Amino acid sequence: DIQLTQSPSFLSASVGDRVTITCRASQGISSYLAWYQQKPGKAPKFLIYAASTLQSGVPSRFSGSGSGTEFTLTISSLQPEDFATYYCQRLNSYPLTFGGGTKVEIK
Amino acid sequence: EVQLVESGGGLVQPGGSLRLSCAASGFTFSTHYMDWVRQAPGKGLEWVGRIRNKANSYTTEYAASVKGRFTISRDDSKNSLYLQMNSLKTEDTAVYYCARRYDSSADGFDIWGQGTTVTVSS
Repeated sequence: DIQLTQSPSFLSASVGDRVTITCRASQGISSYLAWYQQKPGKAPKFLIYAASTLQSGVPSRFSGSGSGTEFTLTISSLQPEDFATYYCQRLNSYPLTFGGGTKVEIK
Repeated sequence: EVQLVESGGGLVQPGGSLRLSCAASGFTFSTHYMDWVRQAPGKGLEWVGRIRNKANSYTTEYAASVKGRFTISRDDSKNSLYLQMNSLKTEDTAVYYCARRYDSSADGFDIWGQGTTVTVSS
């Protein structure tokens, strides 16, 4: 199976910082990648699909890029409500694996 | 309002069975693929499986960790999704979410339920 590795697994940042999270696939997955945000005790929220398309209603400070094996999620200016755990997910073939997650905490 | 609501979680002994349900409302349930995702305590997300729509013969896919033990089904007349879990193991302990596939042109899960907790313990 194709594995997804997120880095870092944890990051500490301040409000207003630019934050970048990387998701690497063990084999090429074209642009079949989604990103989610999850807050404690809540269901994940769909942020980005097809690697770079922002889901309706998601703030424009979020962006996604990449294709093949390397992908990034960028938050251009971190806001208090963005402190959460972020997951990537590949959707090119089964099983639809998630990355291990990146927890973004307040510095 | 577009909504998914899971139910049926609880405490079950190892080797036991449990059936989870997911009630959909606010959208045309029958046209969407539907998925189950779980999250063990303090851990990340794990995809469990998928059921396609009628146009794709209600075929299913499963994660290796549950294949042969779990069965996904749906009843479009009731706007409901199900997860039958048999031969449960302690490692199946998790919050189980149902999720809607966004659409046929862009995969990903755009709507999630609130989750239902399954605890497998003696």
